[in-house]
Amino acid sequence: AQSVAQPEDQVNVAEGNPLTVKCTYSVSGNPYLFWYVQYPNRGLQFLLKYITGDNLVKGSYGFEAEFNKSQTSFHLKKPSALVSDSALYFCAVRSMNTGFQKLVFGTGTRLLVSP
Amino acid sequence: GAGVSQSPSNKVTEKGKDVELRCDPISGHTALYWYRQSLGQGLEFLIYFQGNSAPDKSGLPSDRFSAERTGGSVSTLTIQRTQQEDSAVYLCASSSAWGDRGSTGELFFGEGSRLTVL
Repeated sequence: AQSVAQPEDQVNVAEGNPLTVKCTYSVSGNPYLFWYVQYPNRGLQFLLKYITGDNLVKGSYGFEAEFNKSQTSFHLKKPSALVSDSALYFCAVRSMNTGFQKLVFGTGTRLLVSP
Repeated sequence: GAGVSQSPSNKVTEKGKDVELRCDPISGHTALYWYRQSLGQGLEFLIYFQGNSAPDKSGLPSDRFSAERTGGSVSTLTIQRTQQEDSAVYLCASSSAWGDRGSTGELFFGEGSRLTVL
Protein backbone atom coordinates (compact mmCIF):
# COMPACT_ATOMS: atom_id res chain seq x y z
CA ALA A 1 0.00 0.00 0.00
CA GLN A 2 1.07 3.55 -0.61
CA SER A 3 1.80 5.80 2.33
CA VAL A 4 3.39 9.13 3.12
CA ALA A 5 4.87 10.28 6.39
CA GLN A 6 5.39 13.89 7.39
CA PRO A 7 7.06 13.53 10.77
CA GLU A 8 6.75 17.15 11.87
CA ASP A 9 3.37 18.66 12.71
CA GLN A 10 4.91 22.12 12.66
CA VAL A 11 8.12 23.73 11.49
CA ASN A 12 9.17 27.13 12.81
CA VAL A 13 11.74 29.23 11.01
CA ALA A 14 12.79 32.87 11.03
CA GLU A 15 12.34 34.94 7.91
CA GLY A 16 15.41 34.81 5.71
CA ASN A 17 16.56 31.46 7.03
CA PRO A 18 16.49 28.26 5.00
CA LEU A 19 13.58 25.91 5.58
CA THR A 20 13.08 22.17 5.19
CA VAL A 21 9.79 20.29 5.44
CA LYS A 22 10.32 16.55 5.60
CA CYS A 23 8.51 13.79 3.72
CA THR A 24 9.15 10.07 3.38
CA TYR A 25 7.09 7.67 1.33
CA SER A 26 6.35 4.03 0.66
CA VAL A 27 5.01 2.71 -2.66
CA SER A 28 5.10 -0.34 -4.85
CA GLY A 29 7.34 0.45 -7.76
CA ASN A 30 8.63 3.87 -8.67
CA PRO A 31 6.89 6.90 -7.21
CA TYR A 32 5.37 10.05 -8.52
CA LEU A 33 5.81 12.62 -5.74
CA PHE A 34 4.07 15.93 -5.17
CA TRP A 35 4.02 18.87 -2.79
CA TYR A 36 0.93 20.97 -2.26
CA VAL A 37 0.38 24.07 -0.15
CA GLN A 38 -2.81 25.16 1.57
CA TYR A 39 -3.37 28.71 2.73
CA PRO A 40 -6.07 29.39 5.37
CA ASN A 41 -9.61 28.65 4.19
CA ARG A 42 -8.41 27.74 0.72
CA GLY A 43 -8.05 24.60 -1.35
CA LEU A 44 -4.72 22.99 -2.06
CA GLN A 45 -2.36 24.47 -4.59
CA PHE A 46 0.19 22.46 -6.51
CA LEU A 47 3.82 23.41 -5.76
CA LEU A 48 6.02 20.90 -7.52
CA LYS A 49 6.38 17.28 -8.57
CA TYR A 50 8.95 14.59 -9.19
CA ILE A 51 8.25 12.23 -12.05
CA THR A 52 11.62 11.18 -13.39
CA GLY A 53 15.01 12.64 -14.22
CA ASP A 54 16.81 15.17 -12.06
CA ASN A 55 16.54 14.45 -8.37
CA LEU A 56 16.31 18.16 -7.56
CA VAL A 57 12.98 19.58 -8.62
CA LYS A 58 12.21 23.29 -8.70
CA GLY A 59 8.70 24.59 -8.26
CA SER A 60 6.59 27.61 -7.54
CA TYR A 61 7.47 30.48 -5.17
CA GLY A 62 11.15 29.52 -4.98
CA PHE A 63 10.52 26.09 -3.46
CA GLU A 64 12.46 23.01 -4.43
CA ALA A 65 12.49 19.38 -3.37
CA GLU A 66 15.06 16.64 -3.52
CA PHE A 67 14.12 13.09 -4.40
CA ASN A 68 16.28 10.53 -2.58
CA LYS A 69 15.47 7.01 -3.66
CA SER A 70 17.72 5.25 -1.14
CA GLN A 71 16.15 7.13 1.75
CA THR A 72 12.66 7.16 0.17
CA SER A 73 12.44 10.85 0.91
CA PHE A 74 11.21 13.95 -0.86
CA HIS A 75 11.97 16.88 1.44
CA LEU A 76 10.72 20.34 0.54
CA LYS A 77 13.24 23.15 0.79
CA LYS A 78 13.61 26.87 0.30
CA PRO A 79 16.87 28.80 0.69
CA SER A 80 15.30 31.88 2.28
CA ALA A 81 11.89 31.77 3.97
CA LEU A 82 9.29 34.51 3.73
CA VAL A 83 6.55 35.30 6.25
CA SER A 84 4.09 34.74 3.39
CA ASP A 85 5.28 31.11 3.14
CA SER A 86 3.43 30.38 6.38
CA ALA A 87 0.85 27.76 5.44
CA LEU A 88 0.05 24.04 5.61
CA TYR A 89 2.17 21.84 3.36
CA PHE A 90 1.20 18.39 2.13
CA CYS A 91 3.38 15.75 0.54
CA ALA A 92 1.67 13.20 -1.71
CA VAL A 93 2.62 10.07 -3.61
CA ARG A 94 1.18 7.82 -6.23
CA SER A 95 2.72 4.73 -7.74
CA MET A 96 3.73 4.50 -11.38
CA ASN A 97 2.03 1.12 -11.40
CA THR A 98 -1.15 1.53 -13.38
CA GLY A 99 -3.17 -0.27 -10.77
CA PHE A 100 -2.59 2.43 -8.20
CA GLN A 101 -4.34 5.57 -9.30
CA LYS A 102 -5.01 7.10 -5.94
CA LEU A 103 -2.94 10.03 -4.74
CA VAL A 104 -2.15 9.50 -1.07
CA PHE A 105 -1.41 12.52 1.10
CA GLY A 106 0.56 12.93 4.27
CA THR A 107 -0.97 14.50 7.36
CA GLY A 108 0.49 17.89 6.58
CA THR A 109 3.12 20.11 8.18
CA ARG A 110 2.32 23.59 9.32
CA LEU A 111 5.09 26.04 8.45
CA LEU A 112 5.32 29.15 10.56
CA VAL A 113 7.77 31.82 9.42
CA SER A 114 8.36 34.55 11.97
CA PRO A 115 9.41 38.09 11.03
CA GLY B 1 -14.59 26.40 -16.37
CA ALA B 2 -11.08 27.50 -15.61
CA GLY B 3 -10.84 25.68 -12.31
CA VAL B 4 -12.58 23.12 -10.14
CA SER B 5 -15.82 24.53 -8.80
CA GLN B 6 -17.49 23.31 -5.63
CA SER B 7 -20.85 24.20 -4.12
CA PRO B 8 -22.01 25.11 -1.62
CA SER B 9 -18.95 26.72 -0.11
CA ASN B 10 -20.55 26.48 3.32
CA LYS B 11 -23.34 24.26 4.55
CA VAL B 12 -24.81 24.14 8.03
CA THR B 13 -27.25 21.34 8.68
CA GLU B 14 -28.92 19.58 11.55
CA LYS B 15 -27.95 16.12 12.67
CA GLY B 16 -29.93 13.50 10.78
CA LYS B 17 -30.48 15.54 7.64
CA ASP B 18 -29.13 14.56 4.23
CA VAL B 19 -26.70 16.84 2.36
CA GLU B 20 -25.44 16.99 -1.20
CA LEU B 21 -22.14 18.52 -2.21
CA ARG B 22 -21.39 19.29 -5.82
CA CYS B 23 -18.16 19.33 -7.79
CA ASP B 24 -17.67 20.62 -11.31
CA PRO B 25 -14.21 19.53 -12.52
CA ILE B 26 -11.93 21.16 -15.02
CA SER B 27 -13.21 20.57 -18.53
CA GLY B 28 -11.54 17.56 -20.13
CA HIS B 29 -10.32 16.05 -16.86
CA THR B 30 -11.46 12.47 -16.69
CA ALA B 31 -10.27 11.75 -13.14
CA LEU B 32 -12.17 13.14 -10.15
CA TYR B 33 -11.44 12.73 -6.46
CA TRP B 34 -13.19 13.52 -3.20
CA TYR B 35 -11.17 14.07 -0.04
CA ARG B 36 -12.23 15.07 3.46
CA GLN B 37 -10.24 17.37 5.70
CA SER B 38 -11.28 17.54 9.33
CA LEU B 39 -10.18 20.45 11.50
CA GLY B 40 -6.44 20.30 11.95
CA GLN B 41 -6.19 17.00 10.13
CA GLY B 42 -4.70 15.82 6.89
CA LEU B 43 -6.56 14.77 3.79
CA GLU B 44 -8.63 11.62 3.97
CA PHE B 45 -9.32 9.97 0.63
CA LEU B 46 -12.98 9.21 0.05
CA ILE B 47 -13.62 8.18 -3.56
CA TYR B 48 -12.03 8.32 -7.01
CA PHE B 49 -13.68 8.29 -10.46
CA GLN B 50 -11.79 7.57 -13.67
CA GLY B 51 -13.73 7.77 -16.90
CA ASN B 52 -16.23 4.94 -17.24
CA SER B 53 -14.39 2.62 -14.87
CA ALA B 54 -15.94 1.51 -11.61
CA PRO B 55 -15.09 4.10 -8.95
CA ASP B 56 -12.64 3.38 -6.16
CA LYS B 57 -14.88 3.71 -3.10
CA SER B 58 -12.35 2.34 -0.65
CA GLY B 59 -12.20 5.53 1.39
CA LEU B 60 -15.89 6.05 2.08
CA PRO B 61 -16.22 5.91 5.88
CA SER B 62 -19.71 4.39 6.04
CA ASP B 63 -22.68 3.45 3.91
CA ARG B 64 -24.17 6.85 4.68
CA PHE B 65 -21.70 8.27 2.16
CA SER B 66 -22.17 7.87 -1.58
CA ALA B 67 -21.05 9.68 -4.69
CA GLU B 68 -21.93 9.68 -8.31
CA ARG B 69 -20.54 11.25 -11.41
CA THR B 70 -22.97 11.95 -14.19
CA GLY B 71 -21.85 12.06 -17.81
CA GLY B 72 -18.23 11.83 -16.80
CA SER B 73 -18.27 15.41 -15.55
CA VAL B 74 -20.11 16.80 -12.53
CA SER B 75 -19.99 14.79 -9.33
CA THR B 76 -22.25 14.81 -6.29
CA LEU B 77 -21.21 13.58 -2.85
CA THR B 78 -24.21 12.66 -0.71
CA ILE B 79 -24.14 12.19 3.04
CA GLN B 80 -27.28 10.69 4.50
CA ARG B 81 -28.41 11.08 8.09
CA THR B 82 -25.54 13.40 8.90
CA GLN B 83 -23.69 13.08 12.17
CA GLN B 84 -21.62 15.66 14.01
CA GLU B 85 -18.44 13.77 13.16
CA ASP B 86 -19.18 14.42 9.48
CA SER B 87 -18.32 18.09 10.05
CA ALA B 88 -15.31 18.80 7.85
CA VAL B 89 -14.19 20.45 4.65
CA TYR B 90 -14.92 18.28 1.65
CA LEU B 91 -12.42 18.84 -1.14
CA CYS B 92 -12.89 17.85 -4.74
CA ALA B 93 -10.03 17.56 -7.22
CA SER B 94 -9.68 16.63 -10.85
CA SER B 95 -6.83 15.60 -13.09
CA SER B 96 -6.13 14.33 -16.55
CA ALA B 97 -6.24 10.58 -16.79
CA TRP B 98 -3.32 8.46 -15.82
CA GLY B 99 -1.77 7.33 -19.07
CA ASP B 100 -3.10 10.24 -21.10
CA ARG B 101 -0.43 11.73 -23.28
CA GLY B 102 1.45 14.30 -21.28
CA SER B 103 -0.35 13.52 -18.06
CA THR B 104 1.73 13.48 -14.93
CA GLY B 105 -1.20 13.29 -12.63
CA GLU B 106 -1.15 16.41 -10.50
CA LEU B 107 -4.49 17.21 -8.97
CA PHE B 108 -6.26 20.51 -9.23
CA PHE B 109 -8.37 21.25 -6.18
CA GLY B 110 -11.51 23.23 -5.62
CA GLU B 111 -11.90 25.59 -2.69
CA GLY B 112 -13.87 23.01 -0.74
CA SER B 113 -17.29 22.75 0.85
CA ARG B 114 -17.30 23.35 4.59
CA LEU B 115 -19.94 21.20 6.25
CA THR B 116 -21.07 21.87 9.81
CA VAL B 117 -23.47 19.44 11.42
CA LEU B 118 -25.19 20.83 14.52
